[in-house]
Amino acid sequence: KAGVTQTPRYLIKTRGQQVTLSCSPISGHRSVSWYQQTPGQGLQFLFEYFSETQRNKGNFPGRFSGRQFSNSRSEMNVSTLELGDSALYLCASSFGQGMEETQYFGPGTRLLVL
Amino acid sequence: GENVEQHPSTLSVQEGDSAVIKCTYSDSASNYFPWYKQELGKRPQLIIDIRSNVGEKKDQRIAVTLNKTAKHFSLHITETQPEDSAVYFCAASGAGGSEKLVFGKGTKLTVNP
Repeated sequence: KAGVTQTPRYLIKTRGQQVTLSCSPISGHRSVSWYQQTPGQGLQFLFEYFSETQRNKGNFPGRFSGRQFSNSRSEMNVSTLELGDSALYLCASSFGQGMEETQYFGPGTRLLVL
Repeated sequence: GENVEQHPSTLSVQEGDSAVIKCTYSDSASNYFPWYKQELGKRPQLIIDIRSNVGEKKDQRIAVTLNKTAKHFSLHITETQPEDSAVYFCAASGAGGSEKLVFGKGTKLTVNP
């Protein structure tokens, strides 16, 4: 089975711009979660989508949003970029059975905000 | 919400020695505790996980123990090899509606040949 894929792998943006990241889950997985990884804050949960609905949400501002399509692929959008948004954005997929299931990570999108 | 503390932040061992990484969590409702290994520039990879109905789980050189009363869990790596060098993250499941997984800050393990 193919693993979780993310595009693009690298992005450079300037402050105030917006960005859209994409994640394709493992075939058969219906849940996609997004995480932000930075050296200072570590790995932090952004949100989870299951069956095209946001099911769980972390503590990030409304500038961070997402959506999921009927084929389970997910996109994450960050509007009005700030320097502090520079990070590795990881998505993880799972079957969607709840809070205690195994998640598999994609390779991430490295975002640099100048 | 859930809070996960991980220690130590760095750990250096000689090849063949054992390594132990410890985590504590705050929410007694957490029931799922995975461990991920992340090599430089790579994605986090699940190495072992444990659920609250189990006290210990082993997979070859790796074992995890869970003490729900004390709210802590540990990763044990025996007979370490240089390829075990990486950053290891523990995590705990969150409450429904909030964070799906809450991660510790990571432990950088270096295995010296």
